[in-house]
Amino acid sequence: NAGVTQTPKFRVLKTGQSMTLLCAQDMNHEYMYWYRQDPGMGLRLIHYSVGEGTTAKGEVPDGYNVSRLKKQNFLLGLESAAPSQTSVYFCASSYVPRRGADRDTQYFGPGTRLTVL
Amino acid sequence: DAKTTQPPSMDCAEGRAANLPCNHSTISGNEYVYWYRQIHSQGPQYIIHGLKNNETNEMASLIITEDRKSSTLILPHATLRDTAVYYCIAISNFGNEKLTFGTGTRLTIIP
Repeated sequence: NAGVTQTPKFRVLKTGQSMTLLCAQDMNHEYMYWYRQDPGMGLRLIHYSVGEGTTAKGEVPDGYNVSRLKKQNFLLGLESAAPSQTSVYFCASSYVPRRGADRDTQYFGPGTRLTVL
Repeated sequence: DAKTTQPPSMDCAEGRAANLPCNHSTISGNEYVYWYRQIHSQGPQYIIHGLKNNETNEMASLIITEDRKSSTLILPHATLRDTAVYYCIAISNFGNEKLTFGTGTRLTIIP
């Protein structure tokens, strides 16, 4: 199993450009997440999905859109990139938390380093 | 989810046990304590979790106080590869899909 993979690993954009980050997982996980991490800070949740065809806002959703057309893929889009979106973006996935059982852990990808000039 | 408090940094000598504390005084009865770590800009890695009993796995041990207001992550024989930022998170397993990462503890293993 490859686990969670992210494409691309690095990207430089100019202000106003658009791009899509791809996250793929081969563990048949229901839940997928997008986080961003700014220098010296913890991770902040952007959007998440509890299943194919569903998405929800996290802590910092503004400026981003997401889609989950296939269970194994979770796409993060920047329609008009801004310098404030310079960050490292991490994708994660997890099993469906089952009521009465331990919450399952999240498995993270290696990250995408995005610079917006 | 309960807020957690961790020291910003700690050092530990290689080969010794590293004890990382975490306070979660407002934790509720259905919230678990999870520990993740992040090694130099890689994606966070799950370490261990527990509810009220002490837990041990191949990576670490988790000691949770009886009142559940604090916990300690123990790396029994720290190596240089354990240098990382360690995050303590308290989360409910009912209907909450979000992990809230604070700034964690930066653990440096000294040769």
